[in-house]
Amino acid sequence: GESVGLHLPTLSVQEGDNSIINCAYSNSASDYFIWYKQESGKGPQFIIDIRSNMDKRQGQRVTVLLNKTVKHLSLQIAATQPGDSAVYFCAEQSSNTGNQFYFGTGTSLTVIP
Amino acid sequence: GAGVSQSPSNKVTEKGKDVELRCDPISGHTALYWYRQSLGQGLEFLIYFQGNSAPDKSGLPSDRFSAERTGGSVSTLTIQRTQQEDSAVYLCASSLRVRTYSNQPQHFGDGTRLSIL
Repeated sequence: GESVGLHLPTLSVQEGDNSIINCAYSNSASDYFIWYKQESGKGPQFIIDIRSNMDKRQGQRVTVLLNKTVKHLSLQIAATQPGDSAVYFCAEQSSNTGNQFYFGTGTSLTVIP
Repeated sequence: GAGVSQSPSNKVTEKGKDVELRCDPISGHTALYWYRQSLGQGLEFLIYFQGNSAPDKSGLPSDRFSAERTGGSVSTLTIQRTQQEDSAVYLCASSLRVRTYSNQPQHFGDGTRLSIL
């Protein structure tokens, strides 16, 4: 079955440092991945996505890396700020599961001022 | 606003009552999803609507749960004879869909926090 998991449930970083959040997936047919940020009391907020024909994509202060060989996804946040404190989810989709997305349980990022 | 809107934001009700949760998707988004999120847990898929196609109901946990989408826009999730284990945040998301299988991100509302006493 589908399995999307995160290596660490919690992560604490100093303000200004870079953060790396990891995600593993098990479906080799997965071809679309999204990172979401969820703050307390709010719904998940889209951060960045990547398709399987790419191995890296950059946004504003964020970079997503995709390693299809080991089925691993990571989110890098540069110069982490207190406002980055939240739970981060990865989600994946594959053509053999139609339009359903499968979500990891999330990593809680705490930024220490 | 331009985002996904859900109402009510909070709902407290007694066990055994019926509840209706509403979702207004982003204008022009043809796909609509309902999820359930329990405290500290990931997202549990409930149901998916796409245009005029039959909805994918494979995630509904019991026949007490049902959902409708009228006119391809607003959706209502109904839980009948609520139980305490139904307490959770119910999230709605919408996305564009151009082809049968289309990589488009979901955009979420802030959810309805449902508490069953």
